[in-house]
Amino acid sequence: AQTVTQSQPEMSVQEAETVTLSCTYDTSESDYYLFWYKQPPSRQMILVIRQEAYKQQNATENRFSVNFQKAAKSFSLKISDSQLGDAAMYFCAYRSGQGAQKLVFGQGTRLTINP
Amino acid sequence: NAGVTQTPKFQVLKTGQSMTLQCAQDMNHNSMYWYRQDPGMGLRLIYYSASEGTTDKGEVPNGYNVSRLNKREFSLRLESAAPSQTSVYFCASSTTGGYTEAFFGQGTRLTVV
Repeated sequence: AQTVTQSQPEMSVQEAETVTLSCTYDTSESDYYLFWYKQPPSRQMILVIRQEAYKQQNATENRFSVNFQKAAKSFSLKISDSQLGDAAMYFCAYRSGQGAQKLVFGQGTRLTINP
Repeated sequence: NAGVTQTPKFQVLKTGQSMTLQCAQDMNHNSMYWYRQDPGMGLRLIYYSASEGTTDKGEVPNGYNVSRLNKREFSLRLESAAPSQTSVYFCASSTTGGYTEAFFGQGTRLTVV
């Protein structure tokens, strides 16, 4: 079974600084996709960024980028120029590219932005 | 522009009572999911459905049943609620295709006393 692990329950960063959230996953599949979702206090789940496993190039969305290390099964999220609005729970997620394509999440990291 | 709609938003149950959480999506998605969210545990998959007429167990299916009534609707039933089922429940849906984004409902906060 696929598992996703986020080893940092909480992180904090100064406004305008850079922070990296860690995520590792375990799978025997070769076809899969990885995601980072953000959950602000409103409980809404918002897609931040996604990566296809067969692409070596790391995904980037404005201030958000990933460091995808396929051999190490690592998928970290880097937030540059942190803003107060980035404060939220961040969840790493894995989705199989085959079969029923279930979507599995990690435990989450609570990110605090200090002004 | 409804997206994924969950009902109810809040519910308090007594131990042993039953209830059904409703979920409907209007995006013509094949895949639907039920998760529970507990502090420090993240979102844990209860059941999922890859298409109308099919359902599969996730990580924590015990104490729950699901029905994929049609393509739009995926309900979650608690037959005999227990305090351990106190949680926030999320329904989600997505198209088939691993790269696609999952869309979430607003969640149901369930308390079992």
